[in-house]
Amino acid sequence: AQKITQTQPGMFVQEKEAVTLDCTYDTSDPSYGLFWYKQPSSGEMIFLIYQGSYDQQNATEGRYSLNFQKARKSANLVISASQLGDSAMYFCAMRERVTGNTPLVFGKGTRLSVIA
Amino acid sequence: GAVVSQHPSRVICKSGTSVKIECRSLDFQATTMFWYRQFPKKSLMLMATSNEGSKATYEQGVEKDKFLINHASLTLSTLTVTSAHPEDSSFYICSASRGVRDTEAFFGQGTRLTVV
Repeated sequence: AQKITQTQPGMFVQEKEAVTLDCTYDTSDPSYGLFWYKQPSSGEMIFLIYQGSYDQQNATEGRYSLNFQKARKSANLVISASQLGDSAMYFCAMRERVTGNTPLVFGKGTRLSVIA
Repeated sequence: GAVVSQHPSRVICKSGTSVKIECRSLDFQATTMFWYRQFPKKSLMLMATSNEGSKATYEQGVEKDKFLINHASLTLSTLTVTSAHPEDSSFYICSASRGVRDTEAFFGQGTRLTVV
């Protein structure tokens, strides 16, 4: 069963506008972590934001915020004030049991294109 | 954040030869490292989990005799693609964690392997 679902293969957003990238997840583990990574064409994985399952508040990192709705099992990424440099692949990922010796499981990704 | 260095970033090899990819944690000791494979425009698929001083755990469908993983020290894991074929051409990327209590995953820059 797919554990991370990203339903948007591609998204377009106007420069300076906000955009939401969807992510839903599936786990029976009460302890888990949710991650968002940006992957530009160079291939490197750039960490954006992290949300722990027990965190009371939604995570924010600069222009990135995570809309965490635990009951709905969703962890959408919101990028505010989009910039041309935000054009890239974005992956949602989950780590169960939130320990260093469990791997991340990735969604299929969303390709974001920012239009001038 | 911690730094993971992966080398080489690009490699072209002939069919039948073997290629070694290194993943080093530069400023921390990595008890666990993960190897992922990414096909073009696809997600990251976990290949194996390597723990320092013990045998790697391979995901279902990954040939352990073709993809040899060695985690001989707390700062180095290697992936050797043996008897490479064109279908092994892919993007390989490693990640490392600092320990059981560490929720973050740090990624190397990735290696683009082309087998001709």
